[in-house]
Amino acid sequence: LAKTTQPISMDSYEGQEVNITCSHNNIATNDYITWYQQFPSQGPRFIIQGYKTKVTNEVASLFIPADRKSSTLSLPRVSLSDTAVYYCLVGDDDTDKLIFGTGTRLQVFP
Amino acid sequence: DTGVSQNPRHKITKRGQNVTFRCDPISEHNRLYWYRQTLGQGPEFLTYFQNEAQLEKSRLLSDRFSAERPKGSFSTLEIQRTEQGDSAMYLCASSPREFGEQFFGPGTRLTVL
Repeated sequence: LAKTTQPISMDSYEGQEVNITCSHNNIATNDYITWYQQFPSQGPRFIIQGYKTKVTNEVASLFIPADRKSSTLSLPRVSLSDTAVYYCLVGDDDTDKLIFGTGTRLQVFP
Repeated sequence: DTGVSQNPRHKITKRGQNVTFRCDPISEHNRLYWYRQTLGQGPEFLTYFQNEAQLEKSRLLSDRFSAERPKGSFSTLEIQRTEQGDSAMYLCASSPREFGEQFFGPGTRLTVL
């Protein structure tokens, strides 16, 4: 089973841009890439979803290269409330199962 | 609140007992997912329903686990003969379409003593 990997943790200061990358080299051809935010003792919350190139919404941007083997979540001007764990979610090409990434714990400092 | 709800929020049981969790998805969502999450790890896919049909099951879902979604509405996840390794947060999510955004419930935290 292919692993979907992310950096374990990242630190940032308020107002900075944060980029979190997910490596998913066995992504299913027809599947989307979705990113979620999770606070302690809560279920994950949707941030953004894309298939290829770039997607932007009111809270984030998602960059996906042509080979789709990775993706980068970009959070502009983070605040203290963005301190959370961030996960990517993709479908695995071999098993056709959904796989969450290993998660990135983002700590934002004042 | 029209989000995904899960009951109970917490369950403590003794090893060997059976437990059942319930998930009520957002009413117009025909897709429903179950995940398991242990401390410090990402959620692991367990199973997936489209309406009342269970379409996919993970190998993590041993024969002690069973899930149902009668009439394509709420879903139940039952664990028989619980083991300490079953202790985890069990998350339910629903979605209105294939590859769509999943809306997660608050989870049921299971502790097996």
